[in-house]
Amino acid sequence: EAGVTQSPTHLIKTRGQQATLRCSPISGHTSVYWYQQALGLGLQFLLWYDEGEERNRGNFPPRFSGRQFPNYSSELNVNALELEDSALYLCASSLATGIGSPLHFGNGTRLTVT
Amino acid sequence: GQQVMQIPQYQHVQEGEDFTTYCNSSTTLSNIQWYKQRPGGHPVFLIQLVKSGEVKKQKRLTFQFGEAKKNSSLHITATQTTDVGTYFCAGPPSGAGGTSYGKLTFGQGTILTVHP
Repeated sequence: EAGVTQSPTHLIKTRGQQATLRCSPISGHTSVYWYQQALGLGLQFLLWYDEGEERNRGNFPPRFSGRQFPNYSSELNVNALELEDSALYLCASSLATGIGSPLHFGNGTRLTVT
Repeated sequence: GQQVMQIPQYQHVQEGEDFTTYCNSSTTLSNIQWYKQRPGGHPVFLIQLVKSGEVKKQKRLTFQFGEAKKNSSLHITATQTTDVGTYFCAGPPSGAGGTSYGKLTFGQGTILTVHP
């Protein structure tokens, strides 16, 4: 079984630009979650998508957005990049939706904003 | 909002020593999950505890869920160099709905280093 795949592995952008990160969940998983892991700050919940709909979002500004496609893959967009957006962005998928289903994480995309 | 705290933030041990990390939530949890992230890697699911007072073991790892379902612990017996990494607890609040629905809140993690 293929795991969660994320692309690109690394992304370097300059302040003010836009970044697009992609994620393919495990086959059969309909829920996709995005987390930001900045250095020393643990995992911060960004977005949750299920069945093509945004179900919940964390305390991040609107310039963090995304979508889920009919094949359940997902895309995270970050507009007007700021230096503090530099972090590892982790995508995870789960088999069941809602409360507390174990998450399967991808290897992440390391975003560097200069 | 819900907060999940872990202590200690860092733990350095000699190989063979025991290690324990503690997790405390500001709200009652429906379940608690533990993840391990190796240096340079991604978090990997270890285990999920659901029942009040539940204890589960995985070889040298023992996981406990508190009676009030607000705290948990992970204990590693006789650490090995392969145990190195960051251990995270995570949990959704009990009866999660509204703004908490689907949101798994992670603790800050405990970074474990093991000296051979």
